[in-house]
Parts: sequence; structure tokens; C-alpha cells
Amino acid sequence: EPEVTQTPSHQVTQMGQEVILRCVPISNHLYFYWYRQILGQKVEFLVSFYNNEISEKSEIFDDQFSVERPDGSNFTLKIRSTKLEDSAMYFCASSGSVSGGHEQYFGPGTRLTVT
Amino acid sequence: AQKVTQAQTEISVVEKEDVTLDCVYETRDTTYYLFWYKQPPSGELVFLIRRNSFDEQNEISGRYSWNFQKSTSSFNFTITASQVVDSAVYFCALSGGYNQGGKLIFGQGTELSVKP
Repeated sequence: EPEVTQTPSHQVTQMGQEVILRCVPISNHLYFYWYRQILGQKVEFLVSFYNNEISEKSEIFDDQFSVERPDGSNFTLKIRSTKLEDSAMYFCASSGSVSGGHEQYFGPGTRLTVT
Repeated sequence: AQKVTQAQTEISVVEKEDVTLDCVYETRDTTYYLFWYKQPPSGELVFLIRRNSFDEQNEISGRYSWNFQKSTSSFNFTITASQVVDSAVYFCALSGGYNQGGKLIFGQGTELSVKP
């Protein structure tokens, strides 16, 4: 069964460093998302991406964040200068439909620890 | 604004008990979608069900059932004859209708602990 994959599973970085989190969505999906989950809290939407551009972003997704689909398979989230409060689990998701309401399939997550 | 409330932070039951997880939502959209996801201790998010706002039929899948009531803006999830493997955090989520991009608004989650 097709699945969303994410690498690395765990990333440790120092404050101020840049990190790139990688995702491979399900191959025929069209909508891509990043969410984050601070330990013990709810899952929060960061950004959605369709047709090679951002379609929506949350207040969390400030200028320190960027997303890219550099080729036909990868979808990346870059944090330019990490802060302690960026420590969280980051989930990538993809959906097969361009309209809202279709189920999103999540990757296993990347645990980011900023020290 | 859209909001999802899961008032039960933690629930603990003994195996074979039935348990209901509550979810109340707020939205001004006339078309919207509701979801339940399971997050086991391993951390991944597993899709369980999606309902659209026009379909209030209850659904049953094995030991799982869902009760969608538009009149009370609730989408509750019942596990019948719970098992230890059901132990997880369960999230209810809401997304807007057609052409609204599909972002999911999650509730705070309910941590279910099923003891043998």
C-alpha cells in the first residue's frame, strides 16, 4: 500500500542552524501539507502546497519557514534559523484531491530537537 | 472560525469495556468534513474515518462506530469491547468544504488507556 515517507526520523540541531525536513508524498497525490505537534499537544497546521505553490499557511509559518518541491517526488520543509520552540514532531501529509475534505495520509513524522 | 473541542483529556478503561470519545466542532461553513485519526504510542497518525456534513448516517466498522449529529455539532467515536491495542491518542479534526484547501483543524486529542 502506498505511504508517505519522511526523513530523517529524528534530527538534532543547535539553535540558529538551518534544517531541512524531507518528505516523499504518495505518488499520485496533488495536495501536500506540513503539520507540527509540540510534545503532548495537538497537531497544528503549518502550510499546504498545490501546483508548485503555497495555497495556505498558518500564523506559525513565518519567514523562517519555506517549502519546496524540488523534483517530482520530494517535498521539503526548511527552517532557516531554528529556535528552541521549533522543537516538535513535524508531519508531512498528502491528499489525492484538489478539494477540501479528502483524507490526508500522514508520514511517520520527523522529531526535531533544537538544543 | 473553525474549532474542534475534545473535552476528555484522558480516559482509562478496562479491556472489554465500551468507551465513547466526544468531539464537538464549530464552523460557519455549510459544507465541511470531519475526521478521526489515531496516534498510537509509536507516534504516527492513522486515518480512521471521514464524514461530510451532508451525511449524518452513523457508521460502523468492526468494533468502531461513529455518531454524527449536526444538531449538536458533535461527531462522537465509540469503541466496543475495547482492547489493549486500542490504547492511543485519538484526534478529531475538521476541514472546510470544497475549494477550501483541505487543511485539518485538530482537537486537543483524547488519550485512551485500555488496561488488561
